[in-house]
Amino acid sequence: KNQVEQSPQSLIILEGKNCTLQCNYTVSPFSNLRWYKQDTGRGPVSLTIMTFSENTKSNGRYTATLDADTKQSSLHITASQLSDSASYICVVSDIKAAGNKLTFGGGTRVLVKP
Amino acid sequence: DTGVSQDPRHKITKRGQNVTFRCDPISEHNRLYWYRQTLGQGPEFLTYFQNEAQLEKSRLLSDRFSAERPKGSFSTLEIQRTEQGDSAMYLCASSLGPNTGELFFGEGSRLTVL
Repeated sequence: KNQVEQSPQSLIILEGKNCTLQCNYTVSPFSNLRWYKQDTGRGPVSLTIMTFSENTKSNGRYTATLDADTKQSSLHITASQLSDSASYICVVSDIKAAGNKLTFGGGTRVLVKP
Repeated sequence: DTGVSQDPRHKITKRGQNVTFRCDPISEHNRLYWYRQTLGQGPEFLTYFQNEAQLEKSRLLSDRFSAERPKGSFSTLEIQRTEQGDSAMYLCASSLGPNTGELFFGEGSRLTVL
Protein backbone atom coordinates (compact mmCIF):
# COMPACT_ATOMS: atom_id res chain seq x y z
CA LYS A 1 0.00 0.00 0.00
CA ASN A 2 1.30 3.45 -0.94
CA GLN A 3 2.03 5.55 2.11
CA VAL A 4 3.46 8.97 2.91
CA GLU A 5 4.66 9.60 6.45
CA GLN A 6 5.57 13.05 7.68
CA SER A 7 7.47 14.09 10.76
CA PRO A 8 7.24 15.77 13.09
CA GLN A 9 3.46 16.05 13.38
CA SER A 10 3.89 19.56 14.71
CA LEU A 11 6.61 21.93 15.73
CA ILE A 12 7.02 25.36 17.24
CA ILE A 13 9.87 27.62 16.19
CA LEU A 14 10.88 31.17 16.94
CA GLU A 15 10.64 33.79 14.24
CA GLY A 16 13.88 34.04 12.29
CA LYS A 17 14.95 30.46 12.99
CA ASN A 18 15.24 27.65 10.43
CA CYS A 19 13.45 24.32 10.47
CA THR A 20 13.32 21.12 8.47
CA LEU A 21 10.32 18.91 7.84
CA GLN A 22 10.63 15.27 6.80
CA CYS A 23 8.67 13.10 4.41
CA ASN A 24 9.17 9.36 3.86
CA TYR A 25 7.18 7.53 1.22
CA THR A 26 6.62 4.06 -0.12
CA VAL A 27 4.82 5.08 -3.32
CA SER A 28 5.96 3.06 -6.30
CA PRO A 29 6.50 3.52 -9.15
CA PHE A 30 7.39 7.09 -8.29
CA SER A 31 6.51 10.00 -10.56
CA ASN A 32 6.88 13.18 -8.58
CA LEU A 33 6.78 14.63 -5.10
CA ARG A 34 5.05 17.85 -4.14
CA TRP A 35 5.06 20.03 -1.08
CA TYR A 36 1.99 22.12 -0.31
CA LYS A 37 1.43 24.84 2.27
CA GLN A 38 -2.03 24.99 3.80
CA ASP A 39 -3.08 27.89 5.97
CA THR A 40 -5.78 27.16 8.54
CA GLY A 41 -9.18 27.00 6.86
CA ARG A 42 -7.76 27.50 3.36
CA GLY A 43 -6.93 25.24 0.46
CA PRO A 44 -3.40 23.89 -0.08
CA VAL A 45 -1.04 25.95 -2.20
CA SER A 46 1.80 24.35 -4.12
CA LEU A 47 5.35 25.15 -3.04
CA THR A 48 7.45 22.75 -5.14
CA ILE A 49 7.14 19.80 -7.48
CA MET A 50 10.13 17.50 -7.97
CA THR A 51 10.56 14.64 -10.38
CA PHE A 52 12.82 11.62 -10.03
CA SER A 53 15.87 13.40 -11.46
CA GLU A 54 15.70 16.48 -9.25
CA ASN A 55 17.52 16.57 -5.92
CA THR A 56 16.80 20.11 -4.79
CA LYS A 57 14.27 22.77 -5.60
CA SER A 58 13.80 26.17 -4.03
CA ASN A 59 10.90 28.56 -3.81
CA GLY A 60 12.01 31.66 -1.95
CA ARG A 61 12.81 30.69 1.62
CA TYR A 62 11.54 27.14 1.05
CA THR A 63 13.99 24.51 -0.17
CA ALA A 64 12.90 20.96 -0.87
CA THR A 65 15.26 18.02 -1.27
CA LEU A 66 14.57 14.60 -2.68
CA ASP A 67 16.45 11.32 -2.34
CA ALA A 68 14.63 8.90 -4.60
CA ASP A 69 16.90 6.04 -3.55
CA THR A 70 15.96 6.22 0.11
CA LYS A 71 12.47 7.58 -0.71
CA GLN A 72 12.89 10.58 1.52
CA SER A 73 12.23 14.26 1.07
CA SER A 74 12.70 17.27 3.29
CA LEU A 75 11.40 20.82 3.27
CA HIS A 76 13.68 23.41 4.80
CA ILE A 77 12.31 26.78 5.85
CA THR A 78 14.93 29.48 6.21
CA ALA A 79 14.59 32.55 8.41
CA SER A 80 11.02 31.71 9.38
CA GLN A 81 8.34 34.37 9.43
CA LEU A 82 5.04 34.51 11.28
CA SER A 83 3.29 33.92 7.96
CA ASP A 84 4.99 30.53 7.69
CA SER A 85 2.62 29.24 10.38
CA ALA A 86 0.65 26.61 8.48
CA SER A 87 0.43 22.92 7.71
CA TYR A 88 2.90 21.56 5.20
CA ILE A 89 1.73 18.56 3.25
CA CYS A 90 3.92 16.15 1.31
CA VAL A 91 2.19 14.53 -1.69
CA VAL A 92 3.61 11.75 -3.83
CA SER A 93 2.28 10.51 -7.14
CA ASP A 94 3.01 7.36 -9.06
CA ILE A 95 3.60 7.14 -12.77
CA LYS A 96 -0.02 6.49 -13.50
CA ALA A 97 -1.25 9.28 -11.25
CA ALA A 98 -4.14 11.42 -12.33
CA GLY A 99 -5.08 13.02 -9.06
CA ASN A 100 -6.70 9.86 -7.91
CA LYS A 101 -3.35 8.24 -7.38
CA LEU A 102 -1.85 11.05 -5.36
CA THR A 103 -0.93 9.92 -1.87
CA PHE A 104 -1.10 12.65 0.75
CA GLY A 105 0.83 12.77 4.00
CA GLY A 106 -0.91 13.88 7.16
CA GLY A 107 1.02 17.14 7.22
CA THR A 108 3.30 18.89 9.67
CA ARG A 109 1.77 21.80 11.55
CA VAL A 110 4.28 24.61 12.00
CA LEU A 111 3.74 27.44 14.44
CA VAL A 112 6.13 30.37 14.27
CA LYS A 113 6.23 32.45 17.42
CA PRO A 114 7.56 36.00 17.69
CA ASP B 1 -9.54 35.96 -9.82
CA THR B 2 -8.84 33.06 -12.15
CA GLY B 3 -8.18 30.35 -9.59
CA VAL B 4 -10.41 27.51 -8.44
CA SER B 5 -13.47 28.83 -6.66
CA GLN B 6 -15.80 26.96 -4.34
CA ASP B 7 -19.18 27.86 -2.97
CA PRO B 8 -20.31 28.07 -0.26
CA ARG B 9 -17.23 28.47 1.89
CA HIS B 10 -19.11 27.41 4.98
CA LYS B 11 -22.27 25.40 5.43
CA ILE B 12 -23.98 24.45 8.68
CA THR B 13 -26.81 21.99 8.38
CA LYS B 14 -28.88 19.66 10.50
CA ARG B 15 -28.46 15.91 10.28
CA GLY B 16 -30.61 14.44 7.57
CA GLN B 17 -30.60 17.49 5.31
CA ASN B 18 -29.13 17.54 1.82
CA VAL B 19 -26.28 19.88 0.88
CA THR B 20 -24.67 20.78 -2.43
CA PHE B 21 -21.27 22.28 -3.06
CA ARG B 22 -20.15 23.90 -6.28
CA CYS B 23 -16.67 24.09 -7.76
CA ASP B 24 -15.55 26.26 -10.66
CA PRO B 25 -12.15 25.08 -11.87
CA ILE B 26 -9.55 27.09 -13.74
CA SER B 27 -11.15 27.56 -17.14
CA GLU B 28 -8.73 25.63 -19.35
CA HIS B 29 -8.27 22.73 -16.92
CA ASN B 30 -9.83 19.50 -18.10
CA ARG B 31 -9.38 17.55 -14.87
CA LEU B 32 -11.34 18.23 -11.70
CA TYR B 33 -10.99 16.49 -8.36
CA TRP B 34 -12.89 16.38 -5.09
CA TYR B 35 -11.16 15.66 -1.79
CA ARG B 36 -12.35 15.51 1.80
CA GLN B 37 -10.19 16.71 4.65
CA THR B 38 -10.83 16.32 8.37
CA LEU B 39 -9.04 18.27 11.05
CA GLY B 40 -5.36 17.44 11.33
CA GLN B 41 -5.38 15.05 8.37
CA GLY B 42 -4.29 15.28 4.78
CA PRO B 43 -6.89 15.41 2.01
CA GLU B 44 -8.54 12.11 1.02
CA PHE B 45 -9.49 11.48 -2.59
CA LEU B 46 -13.21 11.25 -3.35
CA THR B 47 -13.59 11.40 -7.12
CA TYR B 48 -12.27 12.95 -10.29
CA PHE B 49 -13.48 14.01 -13.71
CA GLN B 50 -11.80 14.35 -17.03
CA ASN B 51 -13.99 16.82 -18.86
CA GLU B 52 -17.54 15.64 -18.13
CA ALA B 53 -16.63 12.00 -17.52
CA GLN B 54 -16.36 10.79 -13.94
CA LEU B 55 -13.44 8.40 -14.20
CA GLU B 56 -12.98 7.18 -10.65
CA LYS B 57 -14.76 7.19 -7.33
CA SER B 58 -13.26 6.34 -3.97
CA ARG B 59 -14.85 3.85 -1.65
CA LEU B 60 -15.27 6.84 0.67
CA LEU B 61 -17.95 8.09 -1.68
CA SER B 62 -20.99 6.31 -0.29
CA ASP B 63 -24.36 6.13 -2.04
CA ARG B 64 -25.34 9.35 -0.31
CA PHE B 65 -22.67 11.24 -2.25
CA SER B 66 -22.99 12.19 -5.89
CA ALA B 67 -20.83 14.37 -8.06
CA GLU B 68 -21.48 15.79 -11.49
CA ARG B 69 -19.70 17.85 -14.07
CA PRO B 70 -22.41 18.15 -16.70
CA LYS B 71 -20.68 20.34 -19.28
CA GLY B 72 -17.10 19.68 -18.41
CA SER B 73 -16.80 23.01 -16.64
CA PHE B 74 -18.13 23.50 -13.10
CA SER B 75 -18.86 20.56 -10.83
CA THR B 76 -21.26 19.91 -7.98
CA LEU B 77 -20.92 17.57 -5.03
CA GLU B 78 -24.17 16.65 -3.33
CA ILE B 79 -24.49 14.89 0.00
CA GLN B 80 -27.90 13.49 0.80
CA ARG B 81 -29.21 12.73 4.28
CA THR B 82 -26.15 14.23 5.92
CA GLU B 83 -24.63 12.59 8.99
CA GLN B 84 -22.41 14.09 11.65
CA GLY B 85 -19.50 12.10 10.24
CA ASP B 86 -19.79 14.09 7.02
CA SER B 87 -18.50 17.17 8.81
CA ALA B 88 -15.27 18.05 7.03
CA MET B 89 -13.65 20.42 4.57
CA TYR B 90 -14.50 19.51 0.98
CA LEU B 91 -11.73 20.57 -1.35
CA CYS B 92 -11.92 20.89 -5.10
CA ALA B 93 -8.84 20.93 -7.30
CA SER B 94 -8.19 21.16 -11.01
CA SER B 95 -5.30 20.41 -13.31
CA LEU B 96 -4.39 20.47 -16.95
CA GLY B 97 -3.21 17.20 -18.41
CA PRO B 98 -1.64 14.11 -16.93
CA ASN B 99 0.08 13.16 -13.71
CA THR B 100 2.87 15.70 -13.81
CA GLY B 101 0.37 18.51 -14.02
CA GLU B 102 0.25 20.83 -11.06
CA LEU B 103 -2.87 20.56 -8.94
CA PHE B 104 -4.56 23.83 -8.02
CA PHE B 105 -6.86 23.74 -5.01
CA GLY B 106 -9.82 25.89 -4.15
CA GLU B 107 -10.32 27.37 -0.70
CA GLY B 108 -12.64 24.57 0.28
CA SER B 109 -16.19 24.28 1.55
CA ARG B 110 -16.41 23.56 5.25
CA LEU B 111 -19.42 21.48 6.24
CA THR B 112 -20.69 21.24 9.80
CA VAL B 113 -23.49 18.78 10.44
CA LEU B 114 -25.29 19.33 13.75
